[in-house]
Amino acid sequence: DIQMTQSPSSLSAPVGDRVTITCRTSYDVARHLNWYQQTPGRAPKVLIYAASTLQSGVPSRFSGGASGSGTDFTLTISNLQPEDSATYFCQQSYRVPYTFGQGTKLEIK
Amino acid sequence: QVQLVESGGGVVQPGRSLRLSCAASGFMFSSFGMHWVRQAPGKGLEWVAVTWYDENWKSYADSVKGRFTISRDDSKNTLYLDMNRLGVEDTAVYYCVKDSHAVPDRTRFDFWGPGTLVTVAS
Repeated sequence: DIQMTQSPSSLSAPVGDRVTITCRTSYDVARHLNWYQQTPGRAPKVLIYAASTLQSGVPSRFSGGASGSGTDFTLTISNLQPEDSATYFCQQSYRVPYTFGQGTKLEIK
Repeated sequence: QVQLVESGGGVVQPGRSLRLSCAASGFMFSSFGMHWVRQAPGKGLEWVAVTWYDENWKSYADSVKGRFTISRDDSKNTLYLDMNRLGVEDTAVYYCVKDSHAVPDRTRFDFWGPGTLVTVAS
């Protein structure tokens, strides 16, 4: 199985700030990497797919990046808003079993 | 608009069986892969199973292989998950999830149902 290592596990930042969450895969997933947002009591929703493509309807404050290694990925949220308070998960869709990172809980101060 | 509505969750004793259903609407159900993803209380997400547009093409997580069966009825726009020999470790919210593609190609989970809670306890 492809292991996913996400960091940090939690972070706190003020409104208007910018934060970056990282995700490392144990195998080159060829940019088959997606990011999801989950608010308490709700189902997750996709933000970014194929490492850097913004899902339709998602604000452009969210962006995804990838290093050349094929194993290191980032989710950056700019101009933080109160509604960004949520848990964020990365997920590889390169091969089954599709695995998720353990999640990053973001608190907006 | 895409809608996915799960049903069939509840409290079940260890070793028993349960069937989850997911009614889909707002898209051409037969043309997309469909997944089950679960989340234990306070924990992260775990992919459980997928059936692609061809129902003969399925995959399972090792944790459920041989106990769970995913199936689809395209005539009823419904996805199922038959769960046998349930254990306490299967306690979770189970989400029905639509894939962005019919086959595994740069897929993403683009629509999720609200989930149904399965509690395995004596």
